[in-house]
Amino acid sequence: GENVGLHLPTLSVQEGDNSIINCAYSNSASDYFIWYKQESGKGPQFIIDIRSNMDKRQGQRVTVLLNKTVKHLSLQIAATQPGDSAVYFCAESYAAGNKLTFGGGTRVLVKP
Amino acid sequence: DTAVSQTPKYLVTQMGNDKSIKCEQNLGHDTMYWYKQDSKKFLKIMFSYNNKELIINETVPNRFSPKSPDKAHLNLHINSLELGDSAVYFCASSRLATNEKLFFGSGTQLSVL
Repeated sequence: GENVGLHLPTLSVQEGDNSIINCAYSNSASDYFIWYKQESGKGPQFIIDIRSNMDKRQGQRVTVLLNKTVKHLSLQIAATQPGDSAVYFCAESYAAGNKLTFGGGTRVLVKP
Repeated sequence: DTAVSQTPKYLVTQMGNDKSIKCEQNLGHDTMYWYKQDSKKFLKIMFSYNNKELIINETVPNRFSPKSPDKAHLNLHINSLELGDSAVYFCASSRLATNEKLFFGSGTQLSVL
């Protein structure tokens, strides 16, 4: 069936560097994408979302890029901080009312 | 003032027992969900309720029975617990039934011995 996946299961980043987390999706009908951050022992926390009519959206220190041609989503974190260490999930849905399908997660480790 | 709160945070029980997990949201959202996260961190939707009505049931065994007494509460009851039910269960809510921008609780870690 359709699924959402990630290229890198673990990403080690030097503090202060930029991080890029990648996500591939297979359902070309997906029209909504979202990134979550999950810290140890906590629930997933919303970071940023984007609809399929956009290819870029910026938040505070984060940018989501959507490339519908190759069905690829990425999350960029600027000036990565120790507090950014967590597991990051991408998720997608298509058509209103359908379920949010999560990818497998990428662990980001920030080295001091 | 926690937005989505679920209890208990940890639940350790024997195989064959029946247990419940409670969830409440104070965000005024219409839709609530239960997700299961396995040991590999994979998150999978189990149920979704909109205004107390079931809208998604993802082929979950009928040992799992959600109950929504009002739109602010969605409890999960599990009968005859099995080893494979061990996981972290997350409650979530969203403003609309469009599965967008979910707010998650902090999870209930269920361990079946």
